[in-house]
Amino acid sequence: DAGITQSPRHKVTETGTPVTLRCHQTENHRYMYWYRQDPGHGLRLIHYSYGVKDTDKGEVSDGYSVSRSKTEDFLLTLESATSSQTSVYFCAISGGLAEQETQYFGPGTRLLVL
Amino acid sequence: DAKTTQPNSMESNEEEPVHLPCNHSTISGTDYIHWYRQLPSQGPEYVIHGLTSNVNNRMASLAIAEDRKSSTLILHRATLRDAAVYYCIHTSGTYKYIFGTGTRLKVLA
Repeated sequence: DAGITQSPRHKVTETGTPVTLRCHQTENHRYMYWYRQDPGHGLRLIHYSYGVKDTDKGEVSDGYSVSRSKTEDFLLTLESATSSQTSVYFCAISGGLAEQETQYFGPGTRLLVL
Repeated sequence: DAKTTQPNSMESNEEEPVHLPCNHSTISGTDYIHWYRQLPSQGPEYVIHGLTSNVNNRMASLAIAEDRKSSTLILHRATLRDAAVYYCIHTSGTYKYIFGTGTRLKVLA
């Protein structure tokens, strides 16, 4: 299994509070991704990173920011959580952007915003 | 965006082969086809990928149509542990994985 951990694994928070989710990898992979998964949907890309301090938006980036100050860590921040951000969040990593590059996924963080 | 079409659900008997179809009519010549599966309460797990020719690995086989507009994931002997949602994805020259809703495979004992 790829060395990917996510923390916390579960979190309950209130609307309007900031929340930070952490993804940590031990594979020294260059690319890291944050997805969310909601009932009736597949995974949708929020943000991704192609190197330290290099990030870009995915298809559902509104309300989220990210940071990557070290190769091994990719943080996802909800500046002011809303109930619509209740979801399961998955981090993924890959060695490169080549089309054949496999992405490896973490175990997920289940977030409930009350 | 790269979009795939899969049946919502399928059933199989244990120890029988399973053929999971996927249509990807928007695929271009250099797009790879990836298959992932997601077990309950887990992140997606890589299964197999290919470009043009059929591919085999320890988990499954991937059969790609000659025109590449469809593919089939083959589990040679389904087990109860294969019950999962299976996703077929193709990229379009970018980092983007566009997940559909996948096929929920039920394996009957």
